[in-house]
Amino acid sequence: QSVLTQPPSASGTPGQRVTIFCSGSSSNVGSNTVNWYRQLPGTAPKLVIHSNNKRPSGVPDRFSGSKSGTSASLAISGLQSEDEADYYCAAWDDNLNGPVFGGGTKLTVL
Amino acid sequence: EVQLVESGGGLVKPGGSLRLSCAASGFTVTTFSMNWVRQAPGKGLEWVSSISGSSENVYYADSVKGRFTISRDNTKNSVHLQMNSLRAEDTAVYFCARNRGSSWFDPWGQGALVTVSS
Repeated sequence: QSVLTQPPSASGTPGQRVTIFCSGSSSNVGSNTVNWYRQLPGTAPKLVIHSNNKRPSGVPDRFSGSKSGTSASLAISGLQSEDEADYYCAAWDDNLNGPVFGGGTKLTVL
Repeated sequence: EVQLVESGGGLVKPGGSLRLSCAASGFTVTTFSMNWVRQAPGKGLEWVSSISGSSENVYYADSVKGRFTISRDNTKNSVHLQMNSLRAEDTAVYFCARNRGSSWFDPWGQGALVTVSS
């Protein structure tokens, strides 16, 4: 069981906006920044959002992140077929003294 | 280009040992915290261990504490994970990742598969 909670699946049609949520507690999301990773099958995770809402160089501005209290979200607008992947949220946990991840959300583009 | 390349994965019997290596290029490993994160087949990501830039501080997940040891080789710009007393539940792809602070990992290596089975 993952410390951070994500829905196991999400879907949308091309061009739509999809939001993936990540729920934590006061010891992790509530007090530390959230980062988001995208993982294609058989490959390594890749950072898409860091520090709650910042996009690394090379990540399209269709990707955006936000955080409020003990929840965070990743939004993808103008959905494209290449966005189909697993998405993970992560945050430092003050009680565990280490980073924790969500269980991952499999995004399907219909 | 900043890059991480893991090596050393393989098949090992329960109770056995294995040593993973992570070679870095494009940056110096002494200037960042370096981490290992694993992913069991069909499962999510689990942080395993980290070593600070100065190597003075090392941290482990409870699931591997006392069995795994993280270290750094400054001359080869690499990080290692010595895994002893391996169990079936340690079977996973092990990723090396540079830490930019908190849970900010970038980049990640391609991963090394470790299979613990008799």
